[in-house]
Amino acid sequence: NAGVMQNPRHLVRRRGQEARLRCSPVKGHSHVYWYRQLPEEGLKFMVYLQKENIIDESGMPKERFSAEFPKEGPSILRIQQVVRGDSAAYFCASSPTRQANEKLFFGSGTQLSVL
Amino acid sequence: DQQVKQNSPSLSVQEGRISILNCDYTNSMFDYFLWYKKYPAEGPTFLISISSIKDKNEDGRFTVFLNKSAKHLSLHIVPSQPGDSAVYFCAASALSGANNLFFGTGTRLTVIP
Repeated sequence: NAGVMQNPRHLVRRRGQEARLRCSPVKGHSHVYWYRQLPEEGLKFMVYLQKENIIDESGMPKERFSAEFPKEGPSILRIQQVVRGDSAAYFCASSPTRQANEKLFFGSGTQLSVL
Repeated sequence: DQQVKQNSPSLSVQEGRISILNCDYTNSMFDYFLWYKKYPAEGPTFLISISSIKDKNEDGRFTVFLNKSAKHLSLHIVPSQPGDSAVYFCAASALSGANNLFFGTGTRLTVIP
């Protein structure tokens, strides 16, 4: 079984551009989580999606950020009009159920650099 | 507002010796704790967990100790091996679900052959 696949691994954007980060969960997992790791900080929860539904977006900035997990295809984290402070590692994780912390599988992350 | 803290950014240990990684938390409602291991260019992988009803959980070379009164947990690796060299993250939650996990900043462990 393939693990959580994230692409691209590295993404460079200029200020004001859009960034699209993709995440394909483990096959059969319907719960997807996005985390962000800023330099010198721990991973911080952003958003939790379960097929076509946003369950919890309490960790996501209210503006410029959006996430989706369509019925078909990968989950997408979209950042519009990026700023330098968006530079971070973005990790996606998936699990088969909600109460499954030990079964939370992470992708390798996307390193976003904003010039 | 870092609710889970790992105050040692790095630790070096000789192969065969014990590695002790520490983690402190501030939220007394946390009742479930996990350790994740992360190699370069990979995502974190689950290592070991402990619930607040226990004070120790062991899995092979890895043991996690929980001191609720001190709001402190530690991960012991005995004996340490070069393949253990990685960044270790402590995480805690008060409610079930990975959307309620709070992570520490990580400790980079280097095991010297």
